[in-house]
Amino acid sequence: EDKVVQSPLSLVVHEGDTVTLNCSYEVTNFRSLLWYKQEKKAPTFLFMLTSSGIEKKSGRLSSILDKKELSSILNITATQTGDSAIYLCAVEAQGAQKLVFGQGTRLTINP
Amino acid sequence: NAGVTQTPKFQVLKTGQSMTLQCAQDMNHNSMYWYRQDPGMGLRLIYYSASEGTTDKGEVPNGYNVSRLNKREFSLRLESAAPSQTSVYFCASSDFTEAFFGQGTRLTVV
Repeated sequence: EDKVVQSPLSLVVHEGDTVTLNCSYEVTNFRSLLWYKQEKKAPTFLFMLTSSGIEKKSGRLSSILDKKELSSILNITATQTGDSAIYLCAVEAQGAQKLVFGQGTRLTINP
Repeated sequence: NAGVTQTPKFQVLKTGQSMTLQCAQDMNHNSMYWYRQDPGMGLRLIYYSASEGTTDKGEVPNGYNVSRLNKREFSLRLESAAPSQTSVYFCASSDFTEAFFGQGTRLTVV
């Protein structure tokens, strides 16, 4: 059974800190790993990582895929209160045509 | 461009009542999904449809049925609601570069 596990489940830091969120997966025939940010409503897309694109960066956010370790990390540098959200990791398997989500990491940035 | 439209936004049901959650996407995606989100559980897949005319069970299908009416629409039906189905429900569609989500339905079963 496909499985995605995120850690930590909850994280509280001060504004300006750097955080690293983890996602590990077990899936048959891995195709891609996606990161989402969820604030009050629907998740919004951040990154997609595949075998041909294992590192992505956008501003203060960056993500790396480690296919050997079957995991990914999401880094946020110089955190701001607006980064407070639940961060979701999802994995897609080749041919399965479905996304399996982890439990999410609830990140709280205190001023 | 509306993206994924999900209705209703809020619903309160009594135990045993039935209802259908509607979802439509205008992005010509083949794949559509229904998830539920409970505190600390992330998004759990209820059913998905890889293409028009096909549906498959996800992780938590019991108590639900779905219909892929056409390429645009994918509905979720609760035949006899139970308090355990109190949750936030998200519909999504995907072209396999990313998934696009509806705004969610907060369902309470009393």
